[in-house]
Amino acid sequence: DIRLTQSPSFLSASVGDRVTITCRASQVIYNLLAWYQQKPGIAPKLLISPSSTYQGGVPSRFSGSGSGTEFTLTISSLQPEDFATYYCQQLNSYPITFGQGTRLEI
Amino acid sequence: QVQLQESGPGLVKPSETLSLTCTVSTDSIRDYYWTWFRQPADKRLEWVGRVYPTGETNYNSSLESRVTLSLDMSRNHFSLKLTSVTAADTAVYYCGGGRQFVGTEFWGQGTLVTVSA
Repeated sequence: DIRLTQSPSFLSASVGDRVTITCRASQVIYNLLAWYQQKPGIAPKLLISPSSTYQGGVPSRFSGSGSGTEFTLTISSLQPEDFATYYCQQLNSYPITFGQGTRLEI
Repeated sequence: QVQLQESGPGLVKPSETLSLTCTVSTDSIRDYYWTWFRQPADKRLEWVGRVYPTGETNYNSSLESRVTLSLDMSRNHFSLKLTSVTAADTAVYYCGGGRQFVGTEFWGQGTLVTVSA
């Protein structure tokens, strides 16, 4: 199975900050990585898809980059509604796997 | 917008079979693949398996001997069966849908299944 490791696991930030979360894969997954946001008690929400093919009304302050084994999610200017847990997910091979999550707190 | 709704028992006894259904709000069941996930309390998401409109399935190898996914287009729903459950199968179960190499675009609200006598 492909192992995804996110860093950091916890992140404390303020409204208006720029934050970056990293996801490293245990083997090459090309660009086949997605990012999700999850708030307590609510299903995850797709933020970023490979090649940015998902156009689900996600604010432009969210952006993703990377390929191979290292990927980043950047939030350019944190808003109050962005405080949540973020997960990366690889779509390259079965079983589909997730990172352990990054909890973003005020 | 596609909406999903999980249904099924919230409590299952050890060694019995967990059965959940996900109802899809539109005829879009033909247009996407359909996936089950689960999430134990305070843990990461786990991919359980996927079923395609063709009926083809892929399962997480860690569950493969116990899991079956199926699709019923006439009823606009897909289902999960997990046999021989233990306390380790206690989790919030989510159904989802999406396109290949895009990710899961649509999610149910999740349903908590507890395995306990």
